[in-house]
Amino acid sequence: GENVEQHPSTLSVQEGDSAVIKCTYSDSASNYFPWYKQELGKRPQLIIDIRSNVGEKKDQRIAVTLNKTAKHFSLHITETQPEDSAVYFCAASTLAAGNKLTFGGGTRVLVKP
Amino acid sequence: NAGVTQTPKFQVLKTGQSMTLQCAQDMNHEYMSWYRQDPGMGLRLIHYSVGAGITDQGEVPNGYNVSRSTTEDFPLRLLSAAPSQTSVYFCASSYSSPNQPQHFGDGTRLSIL
Repeated sequence: GENVEQHPSTLSVQEGDSAVIKCTYSDSASNYFPWYKQELGKRPQLIIDIRSNVGEKKDQRIAVTLNKTAKHFSLHITETQPEDSAVYFCAASTLAAGNKLTFGGGTRVLVKP
Repeated sequence: NAGVTQTPKFQVLKTGQSMTLQCAQDMNHEYMSWYRQDPGMGLRLIHYSVGAGITDQGEVPNGYNVSRSTTEDFPLRLLSAAPSQTSVYFCASSYSSPNQPQHFGDGTRLSIL
C-alpha cells in the first residue's frame, strides 16, 4: 500500500520568513495530493490540493509543488504569520486504492513573532 | 449552512460498552467518511460511503460499523468499546470524490476506560 513520509516533524520560523514542508510517497500511481491545516484542538482544514497532471498550484501565500519523477510534493508558505502556527498534514491517494487517503505524520509549525 | 456536525463532542465509556457517534451534513454531499486521529499522528480512514445505502471499509474498520440511510447522516457505531479505540474521531464529507475529504466536523473526543 501507499506510504507517505513527511519532514520535518517540527518547524520553527520567524514571522515573515518562508516555511517549506516536504512529503514523499511510495506509490507511483498516486494522483491526488491534499494538504490539511489543523490548529490545536480544532478540525483539519483542507488548505490546498494538487492533482498529478499539475506541477504547481498557488493560492495567495501558499503553494504546492509536485515532482512525480522523484515522488515528492512540498508545501510552501511565504510571509508567514503567527496564525500560520498549526500542524500541517500531507496526504496521497490513488484511484486503484479507491481514492483512500494515506496521511503523513504531520509537521508542527511555529511562527515566532 | 452548518457544514458537518458531529455529536457528542466528548464521551467517556467503559470497556465493553457500545455507542453511536453521530454525523450529519447539510451540503448534499454524496461522499462521507470517518477517520480516527491518535495523538501525534495523521488521520486513518475507518469507513466511508459513496452515497445513501453504500458503505465500505477503510484502513482500520475492525470494531466499528456504519450505515448510510440518508444522504445527510452517517453514524459510526462502536460495537464493544476497547481502550485501543480511545481517539479523536472526525467525520468528513466531499462533493467531488470519495475519500478526498473537503469538510470536517469538529470531532468527537472519545475515552475508553
